Amino acid sequence: DTEVTQTPKHLVMGMTNKKSLKCEQHMGHRAMYWYKQKAKKPPELMFVYSYEKLSINESVPSRFSPECPNSSLLNLHLHALQPEDSALYLCASTPPGRGYSTDTQYFGPGTRLTVL
Amino acid sequence: AQSVTQPDIHITVSEGASLELRCNYSYGATPYLFWYVQSPGQGLQLLLKYFSGDTLVQGIKGFEAEFKRSQSSFNLRKPSVHWSDAAEYFCASLADDKIIFGKGTRLHILP
Repeated sequence: DTEVTQTPKHLVMGMTNKKSLKCEQHMGHRAMYWYKQKAKKPPELMFVYSYEKLSINESVPSRFSPECPNSSLLNLHLHALQPEDSALYLCASTPPGRGYSTDTQYFGPGTRLTVL
Repeated sequence: AQSVTQPDIHITVSEGASLELRCNYSYGATPYLFWYVQSPGQGLQLLLKYFSGDTLVQGIKGFEAEFKRSQSSFNLRKPSVHWSDAAEYFCASLADDKIIFGKGTRLHILP
């Protein structure tokens, strides 16, 4: 199994809604990431979890709340989002061993989020 | 500061023609280097990577890249493109705990 899965594929939500994005991998990877990607732009790093602990938070607004319940699962909880938060949200993971900063990231297919 | 530059925003080639996508990096030491491909609305797929060793790296889908330290480049090549290669291509470097992506090159294929 060499796959990172993300659900849902598409999500439409209002500015007052609470929703969650889910990312899962069963490759034994111990670092997991959330990225935000706007159209025609490269991905921007949001959060890094290493061994289920938050390692990097790239000054992301508190309306985005990450959670890593176990080594295979990464969630992104969304609350009171703004229309400008509409984007493709990508999850990635990295094999253990050399550390999260020194190895290949494997990406999931993404969740296309639209905030109305 | 570390940076990755992809000078070409768009590239158009005919099906069956050869392809070279340019990537330049800026970093004091040798970074880890990657090429990813992204089809519309999809995630990023790793094509190939360079960490050390042989400077000519083979990847999936018939792609290869050559690391040239003297030119700070890591250009992606394919001898004969297929219509299915039309996508966005990102060069990336990993150094100092950060992965930095270039702005991407959109590849268009003419039939």
